[in-house]
Amino acid sequence: NAGVTQTPKFRVLKTGQSMTLLCAQDMNHEYMYWYRQDPGMGLRLIHYSVGEGTTAKGEVPDGYNVSRLKKQNFLLGLESAAPSQTSVYFCASSYVNNEQFFGPGTRLTVL
Amino acid sequence: AQSVTQPDIHITVSEGASLELRCNYSYGATPYLFWYVQSPGQGLQLLLKYFSGDTLVQGIKGFEAEFKRSQSSFNLRKPSVHWSDAAEYFCAVGSGGSQGNLIFGKGTKLSVKP
Repeated sequence: NAGVTQTPKFRVLKTGQSMTLLCAQDMNHEYMYWYRQDPGMGLRLIHYSVGEGTTAKGEVPDGYNVSRLKKQNFLLGLESAAPSQTSVYFCASSYVNNEQFFGPGTRLTVL
Repeated sequence: AQSVTQPDIHITVSEGASLELRCNYSYGATPYLFWYVQSPGQGLQLLLKYFSGDTLVQGIKGFEAEFKRSQSSFNLRKPSVHWSDAAEYFCAVGSGGSQGNLIFGKGTKLSVKP
């Protein structure tokens, strides 16, 4: 089992460009999450999904959109990237009310 | 609102010494509690979790944590630290609600002196 995988691992964008981060899990988890990690800030929840076809906002959703068309995939989109979105992005998945399993992260730099 | 406080931003211990990382939470009911570890450039790995029952929980890599309801704490301990334990440690609290969301502390970075 691969667990949780994230694509790409690194990306550099210019301000105003768009991109999509892909998260995939092979554990048949219902719940999936996108976090961003910034120095001294811990992990902050961007969006999450409690099942295929559902999404909800987390703590810091502005500037991001998500989609969960298939149970195993959770996509995070940046429509118009800003330097403030420079961060490390983590995807996680879980069964309901249980520990979350994390992917290796995507390091994004917006110039 | 739920919150998690890790009072120590950075701790340095000598190899072989004991370790205690502090975690305090704010939550109205009995929370679900977790400790995760993150090595440089890596994702987060679960060390241990507490849902209910015995308040002293054992985890991987020789770590343990004790839930103290009266102190709203869930401190992580290890009797003898190894150089490979150098990493960042995150405490998290979950509500157990339908969303399954976790609130993370800001982390404690552990350095190990030889």
